[in-house]
Amino acid sequence: GESVGLHLPTLSVQEGDNSIINCAYSNSASDYFIWYKQESGKGPQFIIDIRSNMDKRQGQRVTVLLNKTVKHLSLQIAATQPGDSAVYFCPGGPRYGNKLVFGAGTILRVKS
Amino acid sequence: GAVVSQHPSRVICKSGTSVKIECRSLDFQATTMFWYRQFPKQSLMLMATSNEGSKATYEQGVEKDKFLINHASLTLSTLTVTSAHPEDSSFYICSARGQYNEQFFGPGTRLTVL
Repeated sequence: GESVGLHLPTLSVQEGDNSIINCAYSNSASDYFIWYKQESGKGPQFIIDIRSNMDKRQGQRVTVLLNKTVKHLSLQIAATQPGDSAVYFCPGGPRYGNKLVFGAGTILRVKS
Repeated sequence: GAVVSQHPSRVICKSGTSVKIECRSLDFQATTMFWYRQFPKQSLMLMATSNEGSKATYEQGVEKDKFLINHASLTLSTLTVTSAHPEDSSFYICSARGQYNEQFFGPGTRLTVL
């Protein structure tokens, strides 16, 4: 797979502030992306997904933006809470394919 | 909906023994399940794709004779780590594929081999 064994980047934000977590992908064939949240010692939890025919999708307190031109997507979390502290992953893959490719995630630390 | 369970959540075993981990989709049928392993502070590494009623597809570098996968029903896949050694100690996570290619993950199994 394409998962990498790197130390994960960290984003620290103050409680109540908005968070923006960025993700770059390299495979142009990827047309479906999912944001997952993983808390320590637990499996990844589905947050929101987006297909390549969309630029933006909103959920509860979260917004995902997709820029296919530069192969970049972001997850915006409004009014970040301590419970949002976790590692965030943005695997992608073909819409009707079989695998999601996980890259390095981002650690989000929320300071109270 | 879309709940995936794993059993056991933690297992400690002696070197040389075999350990079986179960992955179940509780409220939906999953023809495809995936097995990952994750080392501390690292990303998920896909080990294999488990297809109901057929042989699993292993990722490059994953020994199929060491990590036996069986997907005998639409709600159950098992991973057996055979002749486990300390370097097999890791966090093993399964997922089940939904209808839109999203994956729903189990809570993970912490394996410690002494």
